[in-house]
Amino acid sequence: GENVEQHPSTLSVQEGDSAVIKCTYSDSASNYFPWYKQELGKRPQLIIDIRSNVGEKKDQRIAVTLNKTAKHFSLHITETQPEDSAVYFCAVSLYGNNRLAFGKGNQVVVIP
Amino acid sequence: EPEVTQTPSHQVTQMGQEVILRCVPISNHLYFYWYRQILGQKVEFLVSFYNNEISEKSEIFDDQFSVERPDGSNFTLKIRSTKLEDSAMYFCASSDSRTSGGDTGELFFGEGSRLTVL
Repeated sequence: GENVEQHPSTLSVQEGDSAVIKCTYSDSASNYFPWYKQELGKRPQLIIDIRSNVGEKKDQRIAVTLNKTAKHFSLHITETQPEDSAVYFCAVSLYGNNRLAFGKGNQVVVIP
Repeated sequence: EPEVTQTPSHQVTQMGQEVILRCVPISNHLYFYWYRQILGQKVEFLVSFYNNEISEKSEIFDDQFSVERPDGSNFTLKIRSTKLEDSAMYFCASSDSRTSGGDTGELFFGEGSRLTVL
């Protein structure tokens, strides 16, 4: 099955700085790459996603970049705020297959 | 904004008992899922359901698990004889792949049902 790895497992940043989380995957046929944010005790919520025909996507302070050759994609959060503190999960799926394979998550802590 | 709803929010049960977790997906969605998350670990796929049948299941989804869409709105997960290791948060999710041309669409998760097996 799909192997999804996230690094680093924990990331602490000063408020206002940028945070970058990297996700690697194993199946080159993967074509959908979402990032989910999960606050403590809450449901995972989609914050941004990208498909394999695009290299980068941005939504305000959030961006995702995809490197299909190297099989990794990254989440970029700029001007971090305390409310960005959460666990961020990357996930991967194949075309025509709605099953998402999640990574283990990155704990992001924004220090005020 | 429409959302996926789940009941109960928390259930405590004895090992060996049957448990049914309930979900109401977003009304115009076609794909339904169950995922689980053991405390502090990643979210794991259990099963997907489309057109009134299971479309895919993981190795976790063994004979003790079953899903059903008993009417036009509910989607249930039954665990026939619970084990200690079934203790987890169970998330229901739904998606509408029509919006993405049949490709994987955004999954909308419910708030989860926490199952504790004693």
